[in-house]
Amino acid sequence: DADVTQTPRNRITKTGKRIMLECSQTKGHDRMYWYRQDPGLGLQLIYYSFDVKDINKGEISDGYSVSRQAQAKFSLSLESAIPNQTALYFCATSGGGETGETQYFGPGTRLLVL
Amino acid sequence: RKEVEQDPGPFNVPEGATVAFNCTYSNSASQSFFWYRQDCRKEPKLLMSVYSSGNEDGRFTAQLNRASQYISLLIRDSKLSDSATYLCVVRVAGYSTLTFGKGTMLLVSP
Repeated sequence: DADVTQTPRNRITKTGKRIMLECSQTKGHDRMYWYRQDPGLGLQLIYYSFDVKDINKGEISDGYSVSRQAQAKFSLSLESAIPNQTALYFCATSGGGETGETQYFGPGTRLLVL
Repeated sequence: RKEVEQDPGPFNVPEGATVAFNCTYSNSASQSFFWYRQDCRKEPKLLMSVYSSGNEDGRFTAQLNRASQYISLLIRDSKLSDSATYLCVVRVAGYSTLTFGKGTMLLVSP
């Protein structure tokens, strides 16, 4: 079984709809991240969390919110989806500290906003 | 200026060729360096960390030049399975997050 899972894997929604992307991990890591990837733009950090009570904005947090429900779960919400939020979204985890810098990514969620 | 810059490619090479990718970073306080590999429509995965003294893992060699602020990745004896996008990744001292380059695409042909 995969260590980092994301649901749904694909989603089509309409402008103005609220949607939630979910991420779960079995690696026992404290740190979790949400990224989006657009063609030609690389990975951009949306939000990150270093433990259940810690939430931090990344470089492109506008239009997004997150919830860290448990150590193993980190959800990303789009309160009112817009077409330029069409992208590939990745969740990632890491163990923290210098020896835990490696990030492990989930398989991604492809989101299309019409 | 982007924090981490890479030639987007694609680099088209025949099997068996040696290919090198370079990456430059703008923040002199950058402390940790990595190469990730991303297959088409898949998630990124760590290929190797980059150490100051340079390091090798089989056919892959990574080097760091702090004075010039660049990182390189050399792939020898390219295989078809090496076709992927290679992401240069940097962590700045005092920060706990990573900055990803846009990636360099490699296409290895028979």
